[in-house]
Amino acid sequence: GDSVTQMEGPVTLSEEAFLTINCTYTATGYPSLFWYVQYPGEGLQLLLKATKADDKGSNKGFEATYRKETTSFHLEKGSVQVSDSAVYFCALSDLSGTYKYIFGTGTRLKVLA
Amino acid sequence: GAVVSQHPSWVICKSGTSVKIECRSLDFQATTMFWYRQFPKQSLMLMATSNEGSKATYEQGVEKDKFLINHASLTLSTLTVTSAHPEDSSFYICSAIGTSGGVDEQFFGPGTRLTVL
Repeated sequence: GDSVTQMEGPVTLSEEAFLTINCTYTATGYPSLFWYVQYPGEGLQLLLKATKADDKGSNKGFEATYRKETTSFHLEKGSVQVSDSAVYFCALSDLSGTYKYIFGTGTRLKVLA
Repeated sequence: GAVVSQHPSWVICKSGTSVKIECRSLDFQATTMFWYRQFPKQSLMLMATSNEGSKATYEQGVEKDKFLINHASLTLSTLTVTSAHPEDSSFYICSAIGTSGGVDEQFFGPGTRLTVL
């Protein structure tokens, strides 16, 4: 079945460092792909999304490109801030018509001042 | 954008009591909503799919008699945890299907933290 694999955390970076969080997926067909962010004690917020191959989603300095050839959707940011400390979830939409999402296990990011 | 609210944001109850959590789509109608459960430092676990006007579809291993779901209108789904016990303590998150940029996607509520004493 469909699945999402994320790099294990926690990831600890210094402020202004470059961030990459890897996400690969397995799916039949071409699902939409998402990155969500969860701050402590809060629900999920959509960070960015891509609905077809080669699409680049971007928001708040974060970017991810839908790579069909490598079945990847890696999250990147050129210069992280302390306020980016959170848990990041990669997800894909199920194409069976149920609108179910399959989530990765989440990657915790900690940015130090 | 599409907004989903949950109420309450947190609740503490005694073991054996029932707790109802509401999930509302504020500015759109949602025929389909989802309920998730999240344990500390873990990913979201889909509990059930809530369909307006019909019975919920539960994921394998989720007790439907313990987690009662009612989707009585196009903007409201409720999750009732019946006879709650400490092991039911968790963070419950709902989502609703809405449309953004011509694409259907899930919009998430802020979550409800349940603590059963």
